[in-house]
Order: sequence, then C-alpha cells, then structure tokens
Amino acid sequence: AQRVTQPEKLLSVFKGAPVELKCNYSYSGSPELFWYVQYSRQRLQLLLRHISRESIKGFTADLNKGETSFHLKKPFAQEEDSAMYYCALTYRASKIIFGSGTRLSIRP
Amino acid sequence: DTGVSQDPRHKITKRGQNVTFRCDPISEHNRLYWYRQTLGQGPEFLTYFQNEAQLEKSRLLSDRFSAERPKGSFSTLEIQRTEQGDSAMYLCASSLGGRASGIWDEQFFGPGTRLTVL
Repeated sequence: AQRVTQPEKLLSVFKGAPVELKCNYSYSGSPELFWYVQYSRQRLQLLLRHISRESIKGFTADLNKGETSFHLKKPFAQEEDSAMYYCALTYRASKIIFGSGTRLSIRP
Repeated sequence: DTGVSQDPRHKITKRGQNVTFRCDPISEHNRLYWYRQTLGQGPEFLTYFQNEAQLEKSRLLSDRFSAERPKGSFSTLEIQRTEQGDSAMYLCASSLGGRASGIWDEQFFGPGTRLTVL
C-alpha cells in the first residue's frame, strides 16, 4: 500500500540552525513527491514538488529512490519557517496521500 | 477572495443528526476533491470529481457519506446519522485539471469545515 511516513511530530531548532524534516514513502512505482506547508491560521499550500527541483523560501528536497526518502532541508532556519509541514505523494492525477505532519518550531 | 471557499467553517451537531457542507472551488477549476483530517494526522482522501462526475471514492467514505457536484461547480458533502468518530476537519480542494490523464495539477485547498459531533 502507498504510505508516507514522517517520523517526527515536532522539530524544534534555533534560528540560523540547519533544518531537516524527514520523509519516507512506500510505493513501488514512480510517484510524485511534494511538501505542503500550513502556517498558523492559514490554508494548506504547496511548498515544493520534486519534479520542479526548485528552492522555495530556501527549502530544497531531493528524491532518493534508493532510500525512498524525500527529506526537506534548509541551511539556515528563520522564525517565519515555523509551521506544520506535510510530506505527500501522488501516483495518478487525483488523490494525494499525506504523511501525518511535522510541526517545525524555530526558537529565537 | 478568489480561492476555494467552504461553508460553514464550524459545525457542532449531536450524534445521529445529518450535516451538509458546501465547497465552492476556484471558478475555472474542473477538478474538486474532499479530504478529512483528524487531530494529529494529515489529510486523508475521501473523493474526487472531474466536472460533475465522481471518479473515485475512498473506502473511508462509508454509506453514510455522500458527495455531489451537480453542475460541475460547487460541491456538497453530506454525512447522515453522524457519529462521534466523524468529528474532524473536512477539507475541499480544487485544481485546473491536466491536459492529459496522469498529469498532476496543483490542488488549492480551502479553509476547511470543522465538524464536532457531541
């Protein structure tokens, strides 16, 4: 079955420190992987997708098919990065399968 | 606000009552999705429409749940004989639809309807 696992429910780092939010997935084919973010009192929104290979707000994520991972990284955390982050995958043009989310808290 | 809208934003009901939620997608979007999110979990897919056709339903969508999109615009999600386990945030999303099957298109989410069943 398709599954997305985010092992950390909460990640707390100091401002300026590196951030890595872990994500592992299970799917035998070639899924599309995403990171979604939900800031306080805002809607769920797409942060980045692996196909675009972009850096958004300083965040990057590399798809590692061998390790079935798609970790989200940022070299220097900022206070405005505090939010709920969801790793997700889709394997056809319909439903998205989300992980349980990691709350990122940036300490000043 | 031209984003996805949902109504009501909050609903408190007693066990056994029926509830109906509405979702208005972004106007030109032909795909519409419903998700459910319980505390501490990510959103879980419920169902998906392309225009007025309901193309996929999750096993999570029991017989008590029904979704419609009669004119291919807004959608309603009805829960009959609500149970305490139905308490959750119900999210709606819409997307423009890929030009070919299998092409993923970005889903834009609404603010959600929070249901509390007493």
